[in-house]
Amino acid sequence: EDKVVQSPLSLVVHEGDTVTLNCSYEVTNFRSLLWYKQEKKAPTFLFMLTSSGIEKKSGRLSSILDKKELFSILNITATQTGDSAVYLCAVDNYGQNFVFGPGTRLSVLP
Amino acid sequence: GAVVSQHPSWVICKSGTSVKIECRSLDFQATTMFWYRQFPKQSLMLMATSNEGSKATYEQGVEKDKFLINHASLTLSTLTVTSAHPEDSSFYICSAERDRDTQYFGPGTRLTVL
Repeated sequence: EDKVVQSPLSLVVHEGDTVTLNCSYEVTNFRSLLWYKQEKKAPTFLFMLTSSGIEKKSGRLSSILDKKELFSILNITATQTGDSAVYLCAVDNYGQNFVFGPGTRLSVLP
Repeated sequence: GAVVSQHPSWVICKSGTSVKIECRSLDFQATTMFWYRQFPKQSLMLMATSNEGSKATYEQGVEKDKFLINHASLTLSTLTVTSAHPEDSSFYICSAERDRDTQYFGPGTRLTVL
C-alpha cells in the first residue's frame, strides 16, 4: 500500500530557531516528491524533488531527497512567525495519483 | 491515519460530456471537504469548499454551474464537471477536514477530455 509518513506531526519553536521536517515514503512508482505550505486555503507549492542528493533552496527554506532511503527533509532556518503553517509532503506516483502525508503543523512563537 | 479516497482515479471522456468525481472519507465524518485543481508547476488551486447539507462555497473565478458540487452525506462529496472541454483536463484533488485545520488529501483524479 502506498503511503507517506511525516514527522513530527506538530512542532512548536521560537523565532530564530532552525527546524527540520521529515517525510518518508513507500510508493509503487515514484516520480517526484513535492513539498507544500498550507496556511489557510490552497497549499502553496514549495519544492519538487526528483533526484537524490541535489538540494533545492529558496530563501530560508531548503530541501533534499534521498531516493535510496526513501525520504526527504525540509529545513527552515531562522524561523519567523510567518512560517507557521502546515507543511505537506506529497509523492507523485508517476502520474497515476498523489499520495499525501498527514502534514507537520509548525507553530513559530515570537 | 485518516483515509480519503477518490473515484475514479483516471477518466477519459469526450468533449461535451459530464463527468462525476467522488470523494469519500473512509474512517471519519467530514462536515467540510475541499476541491482543488492542479495547475502546471505543481500549484494547487482551491476551487470550492463543500459543506454537508448546504451549498458549496466557490472561489472567485470558478463557475459554479460548470463545476457542480454535492455534499450529500458526512462521508461523500461529489464534483461534476459539466459539458467538459479539453481545457478542463487536469488533476482534481479533494481533501476532507477531520478536525479544525486538519485536512486529509485524496489521491486525486486525472481527467482527460478529448
